[in-house]
Amino acid sequence: QKEVEQNSGPLSVPEGAIASLNCTYSDRVSQSFFWYRQYSGKSPELIMSIYSNGDKEDGRFTAQLNKASQYVSLLIRDSQPSDSATYLCAVSPGTASKLTFGTGTRLQVTL
Amino acid sequence: GAVVSQHPSWVICKSGTSVKIECRSLDFQATTMFWYRQFPKQSLMLMATSNEGSKATYEQGVEKDKFLINHASLTLSTLTVTSAHPEDSSFYICSARDRTSARYNEQFFGPGTRLTVL
Repeated sequence: QKEVEQNSGPLSVPEGAIASLNCTYSDRVSQSFFWYRQYSGKSPELIMSIYSNGDKEDGRFTAQLNKASQYVSLLIRDSQPSDSATYLCAVSPGTASKLTFGTGTRLQVTL
Repeated sequence: GAVVSQHPSWVICKSGTSVKIECRSLDFQATTMFWYRQFPKQSLMLMATSNEGSKATYEQGVEKDKFLINHASLTLSTLTVTSAHPEDSSFYICSARDRTSARYNEQFFGPGTRLTVL
């Protein structure tokens, strides 16, 4: 079983719609959760971090965490073509610890 | 804030040569830096964790004698790929964490170095 699992996609959504990206993790002691965006040929860029159950909103992005279900998601509202990228979920067992990445979900926002 | 640079951005070398990649934190002191490798269409794989002034901690399966890591200052870590071979061709990315920051849990990535070994 992979430690961090993501659907590879591609997930295709029309411009202006909500994109929903999901991630599950296997290590119950995980404490820190991150979403990174990676454009093709570029390095990852941190877009959201979340540490406690519930929702965290930042602009068009909302991260949702459910530790009981070992599930973290990212919602992107009003999706734009510039959001087309691979979104990586990363999990850490504690504070200031190393990250384990999922394989990423490729998002395509269509005009 | 939290800007990380890498140099070079790309390098082509002959098999058997060594290549050094630099990772710098530009506007913060990086007490910890991480080195990742990413093959095409795959996710990031952590190679090693380096803490300023101490030896790097390598992940299982990563040869420490082949991938030399030096974290000599709070703003600079280097990765040297020794005796590079074509199978070492990959995208090498560093990240850094500022332990003095309120965002100390977060890792900020450099732009990456694309290594091609002929």
